[in-house]
Amino acid sequence: DTEVTQTPKHLVMGMTNKKSLKCEQHMGHRAMYWYKQKAKKPPELMFVYSYEKLSINESVPSRFSPECPNSSLLNLHLHALQPEDSALYLCASSPSTVLFSYEQYFGPGTRLTVT
Amino acid sequence: AQKITQTQPGMFVQEKEAVTLDCTYDTSDQSYGLFWYKQPSSGEMIFLIYQGSYDEQNATEGRYSLNFQKARKSANLVISASQLGDSAMYFCAMREGNYGQNFVFGPGTRLSVLP
Repeated sequence: DTEVTQTPKHLVMGMTNKKSLKCEQHMGHRAMYWYKQKAKKPPELMFVYSYEKLSINESVPSRFSPECPNSSLLNLHLHALQPEDSALYLCASSPSTVLFSYEQYFGPGTRLTVT
Repeated sequence: AQKITQTQPGMFVQEKEAVTLDCTYDTSDQSYGLFWYKQPSSGEMIFLIYQGSYDEQNATEGRYSLNFQKARKSANLVISASQLGDSAMYFCAMREGNYGQNFVFGPGTRLSVLP
């Protein structure tokens, strides 16, 4: 099973709402990632979890709060977002962060619209 | 400084013909990996092919091959016998060094296959 799943597929939220994005993988991977992708741009790294510990936070605003409850699950909690946060949010996993040869497996993404 | 350059924002190719998508990269590491991903309009990033910096042979995966010229720091993707389903955005990406935790993506090339 080489699948990364993400829910929901689409999300529309107001600026005062609190919502969460969910990502799951059952490949035994120990590294998980959140990316933000605006239209016609490459993905931008937001967070990296390695062995369930946050190892990279790319200066992401605090209105985005990641959580890794276990090695298979990654959440992104959203609160008080701005319209410019509307984007495709991609989750990815890889066996670990150790070797440069490990590719990342991506989920289908969540299209987020902030109104 | 941009680490991955893809100079072709858009490309057109006739169905059944071959096409080359350009990618140049910049790194001072000896150990690095180069990856190509396809992103259809649905949004999912699909891993296509990988080339390691120490690999002497060019990587091939079915209709995809990677033309790796290490001295020129280029890693061009060649798609043979293009199909209509190949129409998508293509991203070149690099992971540097062991313990490199994230990918650096290029800006992407949009490929359109014409019937």
